[in-house]
Amino acid sequence: AQRVTQPEKLLSVFKGAPVELKCNYSYSGSPELFWYVQYSRQRLQLLLRHISRESIKGFTADLNKGETSFHLKKPFAQEEDSAMYYCALIGSRLTFGEGTQLTVNP
Amino acid sequence: EAGVAQSPRYKIIEKRQSVAFWCNPISGHATLYWYQQILGQGPKLLIQFQNNGVVDDSQLPKDRFSAERLKGVDSTLKIQPAKLEDSAVYLCASTIHWQSLGEQYFGPGTRLTVT
Repeated sequence: AQRVTQPEKLLSVFKGAPVELKCNYSYSGSPELFWYVQYSRQRLQLLLRHISRESIKGFTADLNKGETSFHLKKPFAQEEDSAMYYCALIGSRLTFGEGTQLTVNP
Repeated sequence: EAGVAQSPRYKIIEKRQSVAFWCNPISGHATLYWYQQILGQGPKLLIQFQNNGVVDDSQLPKDRFSAERLKGVDSTLKIQPAKLEDSAVYLCASTIHWQSLGEQYFGPGTRLTVT
């Protein structure tokens, strides 16, 4: 079975503060993980994937197989980062977590 | 390129009625997905098509839900009869092929309210 857990439904930070959105997964095979984002009144879209090891809009995420985690981080949050963030895992299908609503306050 | 199109955007029906949703994927995308997203939850895959064939429908409640993609392009998802618990946003997504499973392009969704 595959499962994705995002322990925080809501996360609020101030502009310029570091932000970390937590994601833990359960999967018996070799995981492939993603972060998706949905800005207000926009479509769900891919933010980044772990195999690319890329930084998108200042966000990075590192796969930690020992802790079965794939936390999303940004050193300095911006107001435009306010959105719903979903962690997702490929096993037999793409499985999403329940999401974290990030609010960046001015 | 044009994105994934869905219609209608909103639908309100009474329980036991029928409803259908339509999706047109990005041109050239062979793989199409339907998701159900209940309020406060992440999207949950209902069915995956590769061209006009079903790849995965293990999470589709087949007693009331059906979907087709007859010509391997656009797709229709139907609920008959609807229940209160079917109230959700129904998302359609597509990828150029099944190997791009993690890089899905989503439509705007159809918000269904069952009263």
